[in-house]
Amino acid sequence: SQQGEEDPQALSIQEGENATMNCSYKTSINNLQWYRQNSGRGLVHLILIRSNEREKHSGRLRVTLDTSKKSSSLLITASRAADTASYFCAATRLSFGAGTTVTVRA
Amino acid sequence: DTEVTQTPKHLVMGMTNKKSLKCEQHMGHRAMYWYKQKAKKPPELMFVYSYEKLSINESVPSRFSPECPNSSLLNLHLHALQPEDSALYLCASSQGRGGANTGELFFGEGSRLTVL
Repeated sequence: SQQGEEDPQALSIQEGENATMNCSYKTSINNLQWYRQNSGRGLVHLILIRSNEREKHSGRLRVTLDTSKKSSSLLITASRAADTASYFCAATRLSFGAGTTVTVRA
Repeated sequence: DTEVTQTPKHLVMGMTNKKSLKCEQHMGHRAMYWYKQKAKKPPELMFVYSYEKLSINESVPSRFSPECPNSSLLNLHLHALQPEDSALYLCASSQGRGGANTGELFFGEGSRLTVL
C-alpha cells in the first residue's frame, strides 16, 4: 500500500499546547496532503506539501516533509478546543493513513 | 461556490432495497470520487471519475454502481447491500484528472448509510 500511516493513533493535550503527529509512507510521492475530520463530518483539506518542499506553514499549522525517510509531520501550535478532530495524511493515489485523533482539553 | 453537496444525509435501507446516493459540485472540477468510511477508520477509495468517465474502480463489489451523468453530478446506486456495507459514504471532487498527482480534494459532508 502507498498510504501514509500516522502516529500516534491518539493524542490528548491541554488547550494552548502544541500537537505533533507524524506520517510515514512507503513509495515515492509527488505530494503529501493533510486533512482534518470532525466527528462524523466530511474531510477538510489543511495543507499540501510537494515532494520538492521541506517545510510549509499555514496559520498555526506547520508541515515538514523528509522524502529520504518517507515521513511527514504536522504541528498544530497553540491548540484550541476547536482543533479536536481526526487528522489524516494522504500520499499519492488518494489513500489515507489510519489517522491521529486529537483531543484538546479546555 | 466551493461546496460539494451530498444527499441524503442519512439513509436506512433493507438488503433487498434499491437506493441511490447523490453528489453535486459546481466548482468546475472534472474529477469526482466516492469513498467509504467505517467508524474510527480512514476513508477508503471506491471509485474515481475523470471527465465523466470511470477511471478507477478499487475492486468494489457490483452491488455498488457508480454513475456520472454530467460533470457536476455523481451518483452511487445501491442494490442488495449487506449490513457490513453500513458506513459513511463520502463524495469528493478535485481539479485535474484525479490521477496520481491529484491536488486538493473537496469533500461533501457524507451520507450515513445503515443497512438492516
